[in-house]
Amino acid sequence: EVQLVESGGGLVQPGGSLRLSCAASGITFSTFWMHWVRQAPGKGLVWVSRINSDGSSTSYADSVKGRFTISRDNAKNTLYLQMNSLRAEDTAVYYCARQWEPMFDYWGQGTLVTVSS
Amino acid sequence: NFILTQPHSVSESPGKTVTISCTGSSGSIASNYVQWYQQRPGSAPTTVIYEDNQRPSGVPDRFSGSIDSSSNSASLTISGLKTEDEADYYCQSYAGSNREVFGGGTKLTVL
Repeated sequence: EVQLVESGGGLVQPGGSLRLSCAASGITFSTFWMHWVRQAPGKGLVWVSRINSDGSSTSYADSVKGRFTISRDNAKNTLYLQMNSLRAEDTAVYYCARQWEPMFDYWGQGTLVTVSS
Repeated sequence: NFILTQPHSVSESPGKTVTISCTGSSGSIASNYVQWYQQRPGSAPTTVIYEDNQRPSGVPDRFSGSIDSSSNSASLTISGLKTEDEADYYCQSYAGSNREVFGGGTKLTVL
């Protein structure tokens, strides 16, 4: 059974940092591109970032570029999102998702990040 | 930036058919595949349509997808509506420059 389990969310002050993790099981993690997608409370899905299978290529939404860094450790089957200089508008549930062909076929349950003083 | 626009909400009665649109802001929406995701409250999204009109295993054939190049839109059609279909639906596609984009989401009410 494929499982993606996010962790690392919580309450952080504006300007602070947080690192999210996404532990994968039941899949050959190292062969798939992975993404982070977020959803602010009561709002829609927003794509945040993606990383290719070996970690050599990354992309970011304009809203997080320069502040967030996506990475992966294929030996540990884990995806990361380092979030720096956090703002109130970064408050959201963050989902990791596996890309298969053009779609996101598996999603984690999400981890809530709240940026507030 | 490439944007996908969806209606904020739609509603229909059980047993009827509803169509949700997803309009691309520029270029041709047919240039890249469109996916559709269903999200129920408190849950992660799940795929109902991929590659414009393909259904993942387990998704009933009441769900179908299509592309209309003349209106630069994708559509999700749900026939024989059931109360369990009540959810938020999102379209998604490639936005170029190694980025993905989601539509704003459509709340489907089955009343």
